[in-house]
Amino acid sequence: DIQMTQSPSTLSASVGDRVTITCRASQSINSWLAWYQLKPEKAPKLLIQKTSNLASGVPSRFSGSGSGTEFTLTISSLQPDDLATYYCQQYESHLSFGQGTKVEIK
Amino acid sequence: QVQLVESGGGVVQPGRSLRISCAASGFTFSNYAMHWVRQAPGKGLEWVATISSDGSETRSPDSVQGRFIISRDNSKNTLYLQMDSLRIEDTALYYCVKTDCDNIYCRLLVHWGQGTLVTVSS
Repeated sequence: DIQMTQSPSTLSASVGDRVTITCRASQSINSWLAWYQLKPEKAPKLLIQKTSNLASGVPSRFSGSGSGTEFTLTISSLQPDDLATYYCQQYESHLSFGQGTKVEIK
Repeated sequence: QVQLVESGGGVVQPGRSLRISCAASGFTFSNYAMHWVRQAPGKGLEWVATISSDGSETRSPDSVQGRFIISRDNSKNTLYLQMDSLRIEDTALYYCVKTDCDNIYCRLLVHWGQGTLVTVSS
């Protein structure tokens, strides 16, 4: 099974900051990586598919990059609405998730 | 727009059974594979089960294999998860999720419901 390791588990940043979350796979997943945003009491939302493709309606301040086993999600200018927990997910083989990154606003 | 509404969660004793449902609307349900994904309190996301668009193929991880069965009724636009021999560690918010294609290898989780809470407790 492919294990996903996400870091950091929590980050605190100010509005306007550039924020980066990292996700590492235990083996190559090519580009089959997605990112999701979870907020309490709301349906989770797909942000990015296939490493770098923004889902419909997702603000352009979100971007994804990487290949093989190392991937990143970047928020170029953090906004109050971005307070959430973010998960990476590989879909190369079955599907598995990182442990999540909780983003807090300073 | 796509709507996925889960129902049927509640409190159940260890060893007992529960069936949860997901009512789908806003898309042609019979064209898409579907998943169940869960999140235990304070924990991360865990894949629970997958079913193809016609219901002919299913997959699930070892943690629920032999205890949980995913099924669907395309005439009712409804997805189900039959959960037997429930354990305390099955306590979680269970999400119904739509993919972007029709087979069990469709693993991109495009649309999610808000979840239904299952609590296993004596």
